[in-house]
Amino acid sequence: EAGVAQSPRYKIIEKRQSVAFWCNPISGHATLYWYQQILGQGPKLLIQFQNNGVVDDSQLPKDRFSAERLKGVDSTLKIQPAKLEDSAVYLCASSLGITGLADTQYFGPGTRLTVL
Amino acid sequence: AQSVTQLGSHVSVSEGALVLLRCNYSSSVPPYLFWYVQYPNQGLQLLLKYTSAATLVKGINGFEAEFKKSETSFHLTKPSAHMSDAAEYFCAVSDQNQGGKLIFGQGTELSVKP
Repeated sequence: EAGVAQSPRYKIIEKRQSVAFWCNPISGHATLYWYQQILGQGPKLLIQFQNNGVVDDSQLPKDRFSAERLKGVDSTLKIQPAKLEDSAVYLCASSLGITGLADTQYFGPGTRLTVL
Repeated sequence: AQSVTQLGSHVSVSEGALVLLRCNYSSSVPPYLFWYVQYPNQGLQLLLKYTSAATLVKGINGFEAEFKKSETSFHLTKPSAHMSDAAEYFCAVSDQNQGGKLIFGQGTELSVKP
């Protein structure tokens, strides 16, 4: 089966510009996650969707970050305007959403963002 | 609040030697625990997970981990390291108070010397 797809793989922008990332989860997976992984750290959850509803966005900087999951499938994560500290790898993951807390999350390859 | 601590940001072993990566967790409820591996420029791949069944969990690529409640630990081991095991390893706990999001440790980079 196809894995989680993300694009672009790499993006370089200047501060105050905007950027968008796209994620296509594994077919049939109800739950979708966006994580931010800063160099040398573990991933940190930004937002979690169950179908097209938000389950958790407590750590999403809402003044500059936004995310949507239209029709409960693909998702986009946007940053506007970007700051230097947004330089990180943005990982998308998906899970079936059936077993809940013990669900295995499947990760995409990530988008490496560099803000200059 | 649940949390995970990985002891040692870098571990180096010789090929064929035992691999031991340490993880301690903090949780007020029985935890669900995970080990993921990340190869350079790739996403995370699940090695194994503990979901309150057997305390010794076997995963892919010859890795296993043992859940020890008394020590609040979930250390990852492999009897004999291969060069291909060189990667970043992350321990994570599922946050049972917030929809099962994963809370990750800071990671341990494993190097394997020939």
